[in-house]
Amino acid sequence: GAVVSQHPSRVICKSGTSVKIECRSLDFQATTMFWYRQFPKQSLMLMATSNEGSKATYEQGVEKDKFLINHASLTLSTLTVTSAHPEDSSFYICSAREPGRSTEAFFGQGTRLTVV
Amino acid sequence: QKEVEQDPGPLSVPEGAIVSLNCTYSNSAFQYFMWYRQYSRKGPELLMYTYSSGNKEDGRFTAQVDKSSKYISLFIRDSQPSDSATYLCAMSQRGSTLGRLYFGRGTQLTVWP
Repeated sequence: GAVVSQHPSRVICKSGTSVKIECRSLDFQATTMFWYRQFPKQSLMLMATSNEGSKATYEQGVEKDKFLINHASLTLSTLTVTSAHPEDSSFYICSAREPGRSTEAFFGQGTRLTVV
Repeated sequence: QKEVEQDPGPLSVPEGAIVSLNCTYSNSAFQYFMWYRQYSRKGPELLMYTYSSGNKEDGRFTAQVDKSSKYISLFIRDSQPSDSATYLCAMSQRGSTLGRLYFGRGTQLTVWP
């Protein structure tokens, strides 16, 4: 299957700092990527849909000024958590859909963010 | 009511058992149904993908979709300790939201030797 790479896999940062997470599609071009957040023993909650060359579409309740998404190329989307707080600590996962393969989505390895 | 309901378990079975995992949903527009396996602290891995109603088999795994009942299942035959993981059902609808997945909460499965 298609490969989606997410980096870093784990990050610890201080309150008030910003953290950038990268999501890359390695063997296909992804016009659309998705960013999810997952709390322990909970399901994946969609945060936003990232579209190459245009603004991201955020789900209700997700602060777009806090979770900045940039999809500058067909193989890279980034999520920046700005002015991080301990409650932002979570598991962040990106996914990408390979064009022409219906709705199959392939996921990155996830990023464990801990804000101290 | 959440759009996708899934019993979180945990489910614990002996090696070799048949495992049945299930999800129900409320949105009749869902047409694509998927099962993902997620190991601890890892991203989900696509296991099975089914379009509309019917059965699909892949090795020890069988996915079933009953759209009339809005019910989907994943069966694992001859379960192995390596099958221990969280299993997430996911579904999507046709149209402009193609690719937008709705997930169940996930069922935590442990297969003990």
